Amino acid sequence: DIQMTQSPSSLSASVGDRVTITCQASQDISTYLNWYQQKAGKAPKLLIYEASSLEAGVPSRFSGSGSGTDYIFTITSLQPEDIATYYCQQYDTLPLTFGGGTKVEIK
Amino acid sequence: QVTLRESGPALVKPTQTLTLTCTFSGFSLSTTGVCVTWIRQPPGKALEWLALIDWDEDKYYSTSLKTRLTISKDASKNQVVLTMTNMDPVDTATYYCARSRVGGSCYGFQHWGQGALVTVSS
Repeated sequence: DIQMTQSPSSLSASVGDRVTITCQASQDISTYLNWYQQKAGKAPKLLIYEASSLEAGVPSRFSGSGSGTDYIFTITSLQPEDIATYYCQQYDTLPLTFGGGTKVEIK
Repeated sequence: QVTLRESGPALVKPTQTLTLTCTFSGFSLSTTGVCVTWIRQPPGKALEWLALIDWDEDKYYSTSLKTRLTISKDASKNQVVLTMTNMDPVDTATYYCARSRVGGSCYGFQHWGQGALVTVSS
C-alpha cells in the first residue's frame, strides 16, 4: 500500500496568514491526489482533485501543487471558517490511502 | 440533488457481523463512471478507506480488511451494502458512504453521507 505522510499534524495561524500543508507519498503517485476539508462533526468535503484542480464552488484561496511524491496544499489567507482538519488522499494505486490529517486552528 | 444516507446498528457486540446500508438518491449506480465507497473514521483519528463498488459492479477492498469486508449494490433500491465480519472494539468508528465526482476519477469523493457511528462493545 502507498503510505501518505502529512505534515504538520496540527498548526495554529492568525487570520490572514498563509498556511501550507505537505503530503508525501511513499512512491510516485503522478498527481493522483485529492485534498479534503473536514469540519468538526461533519463529513469531509472535497476541495482539490488531481493535485491542483479546484472543485467547483471552492474559494480560490485554496490551492494545491506538486508532483511525483511531494504535494503541497495552501490557504493563501486563512479565514475563521477554514478551521478544520485537512486530509490528502492518493488514488494512483488501490487501495486508496489517506494522510494522517492536519488540524488547522486560529491563533 | 445527490444525497446519501448511512443506516445500520449503532451498537454491535464483538465477533458479530456489521451490516451497513447506504441509501442514495439523485443518481444511478448503473451510470458509467459512478462509484460508491465506504470510508470510516475512529473517534479522533484519520480517515480510512474500506471498499468501493463501481457502475460495472467491480469491487475493491482495503488490503488489511479485505477478508472481512463485502460490498454489494442493489440498483433497484438505490442502495449499497457493506458487511464487516468479526467486529472488534477497534472497529468503533463513524462509517461514511460517498459517491465519486461527476465526470472525473472514480476515486475522488464529492458527495458524502452524514456518517453512522458504530460502537463495538459487549
